[in-house]
Amino acid sequence: NAGVTQTPKFQVLKTGQSMTLQCAQDMNHNSMYWYRQDPGMGLRLIYYSASEGTTDKGEVPNGYNVSRLNKREFSLRLESAAPSQTSVYFCASKGGSSYNEQFFGPGTRLTVL
Amino acid sequence: AQSVTQPDIHITVSEGASLELRCNYSYGATPYLFWYVQSPGQGLQLLLKYFSGDTLVQGIKGFEAEFKRSQSSFNLRKPSVHWSDAAEYFCAVGHSGNTPLVFGKGTRLSVIA
Repeated sequence: NAGVTQTPKFQVLKTGQSMTLQCAQDMNHNSMYWYRQDPGMGLRLIYYSASEGTTDKGEVPNGYNVSRLNKREFSLRLESAAPSQTSVYFCASKGGSSYNEQFFGPGTRLTVL
Repeated sequence: AQSVTQPDIHITVSEGASLELRCNYSYGATPYLFWYVQSPGQGLQLLLKYFSGDTLVQGIKGFEAEFKRSQSSFNLRKPSVHWSDAAEYFCAVGHSGNTPLVFGKGTRLSVIA
């Protein structure tokens, strides 16, 4: 099992460019999440998908869109990148029971110039 | 609304010394509680979790945590810290269903010789 995988690992964009961060899990989990991590801010939830076909906004959704392509894949899109979106992005997934933990991917380090 | 407070932003301990990282949560019902560790440049790894039963839970890498309902706390402890324990530690709280975990802002642990 690869667990949760994310691509790319690193990315540099110019302001206004668009890109999609990819996330996939092979644990047959229903729920998937996107977080961003900034120094001193901890992890902040951007969007999540409780099950295939549903998505919900988290704490900081502005400037982002998501797609739950199928049960395995959950992508995060930046339509017009801004320097404030420079961050490390983590994808996570979780099984169906309430006490199950979230499993995290290795992260994508994004810099917007 | 749920919330998690980690009062210490940064802690420095000597190798071989004991460690306690504090975590306080706000939640009306019995929470599901988690501790994660993040090594530099890595994703988050689960150390341990509590959802019911014995209030002292054992985790990986020699860590343990104690749930104290009266104090709304879930502090992480280790009797003897190793240099490889230097990392960032996150406490998180969850509840029923597929709703996302709520994370604290993290405590960075430095280990000195």
